[in-house]
Amino acid sequence: DQQVKQNSPSLSVQEGRISILNCDYTNSMFDYFLWYKKYPAEGPTFLISISSIKDKNEDGRFTVFLNKSAKHLSLHIVPSQPGDSAVYFCAASAGYSSASKIIFGSGTRLSIRP
Amino acid sequence: KAGVTQTPRYLIKTRGQQVTLSCSPISGHRSVSWYQQTPGQGLQFLFEYFSETQRNKGNFPGRFSGRQFSNSRSEMNVSTLELGDSALYLCASSLAKRTSANTDTQYFGPGTRLTVL
Repeated sequence: DQQVKQNSPSLSVQEGRISILNCDYTNSMFDYFLWYKKYPAEGPTFLISISSIKDKNEDGRFTVFLNKSAKHLSLHIVPSQPGDSAVYFCAASAGYSSASKIIFGSGTRLSIRP
Repeated sequence: KAGVTQTPRYLIKTRGQQVTLSCSPISGHRSVSWYQQTPGQGLQFLFEYFSETQRNKGNFPGRFSGRQFSNSRSEMNVSTLELGDSALYLCASSLAKRTSANTDTQYFGPGTRLTVL
């Protein structure tokens, strides 16, 4: 049972346009959400996060939106650049204990075409 | 500050063998988590260690085990390897401090690519 789902395994976007990556979750106890980016032969790197007390968090070209009622979050990248081509993982955790597990989605491969 | 290191980077084993993977966390990080990544499955949580104690465990068989040493370095062991164990094994470390406003960001190593023949 996947608690965090990324239903699009791949996405292709033209350079300069907006990339929108989506993520759905089923566990209403999740209160913190993260996005990680992974290049081949490297480990995932933390990109941006959002707490359930917010519905938007912005960091430069990256913005994460959270819709708690729909149990949905999205990552917007504007404008998309060639270096953004990578696999993006959505992740979620519940509770404030530092022992909380972080549950990852299956990832979306983003390709930025010239 | 040096990042998370994992050794070896690549490993080829045959069915039935056992394997030990090593992870050195970022200096000062007390929590180490292990994940298995396979195509289409994302990152599956294996277990987390904190202060030499396993405090979280994912849904993997008992063939998968781990430990953490007093210097926070961690090892993961897989016994009686199966073909399906072929995957990228990722280790992540964190400070293990979380407040109501922020979670505990994990920093990943490059992974160990295990191939079981």
